[in-house]
Amino acid sequence: QLQLQESGPGLVKPSETLSLTCTVSGGSFSSSRYYWGWVRQPPGKGLEWIGSIYYSGSAYYNPSLKSRVTISVDTSKNQYSLRLSSVTAADTAVYYCATLTVTNQFCANAVCPDYWGQGTLVTVSS
Amino acid sequence: AIQMTQSPSSLSASVGDRVTITCRASQGIGNDLGWYQQKPGKAPKLLIYAASTLQSGVPSRFSGSGSGTDFTLTISSLQPEDFATYYCLQDYNYLWAFGQGTKVEIK
Repeated sequence: QLQLQESGPGLVKPSETLSLTCTVSGGSFSSSRYYWGWVRQPPGKGLEWIGSIYYSGSAYYNPSLKSRVTISVDTSKNQYSLRLSSVTAADTAVYYCATLTVTNQFCANAVCPDYWGQGTLVTVSS
Repeated sequence: AIQMTQSPSSLSASVGDRVTITCRASQGIGNDLGWYQQKPGKAPKLLIYAASTLQSGVPSRFSGSGSGTDFTLTISSLQPEDFATYYCLQDYNYLWAFGQGTKVEIK
């Protein structure tokens, strides 16, 4: 059973870079069965996909955030990371790492990988 | 980018009611869509994948349908534990996008 855990600062100053890490345990991070994703949720609002990365390093980003986002993997540490630059108050949110897949590509026999971290609140404030 | 329009944004229903939530994609996405349930303070939970396949362990009162641009989540008989917010998520061509969410409240 995979477990995901976000870590990083809970407070970031405006114009600085938000950095979070997701540590994966209980399974193979280098499995070809998952896209490793980042999702955020501003207080009281809906879910927003930030980006996803495959274990090989191929990364995909939300077009609305693409100019500010970098997602990378460190397979030796079973981790992947998020960097979001030039943050503003609008980037204040709970940030989740998760295996995001809803297609038959990685799902079989009514089982689709659905693993999430518990979420970490990042506040952007001076 | 593909936009997902989810409706309604909220609804009030009673235990035992049949509830329907819809998501419309701005372009065809085949059946690359799933439905999540989120309760306050918790991470989302996958209910349906590939538009209509029930995730293992999810009660059979949940069902999904649709393909192309129009998709539906149906709860056949609403239970007390189903009061939550529901999101669709499309996963097409390496660009994911959530719908805006539907909050299901007790009438």
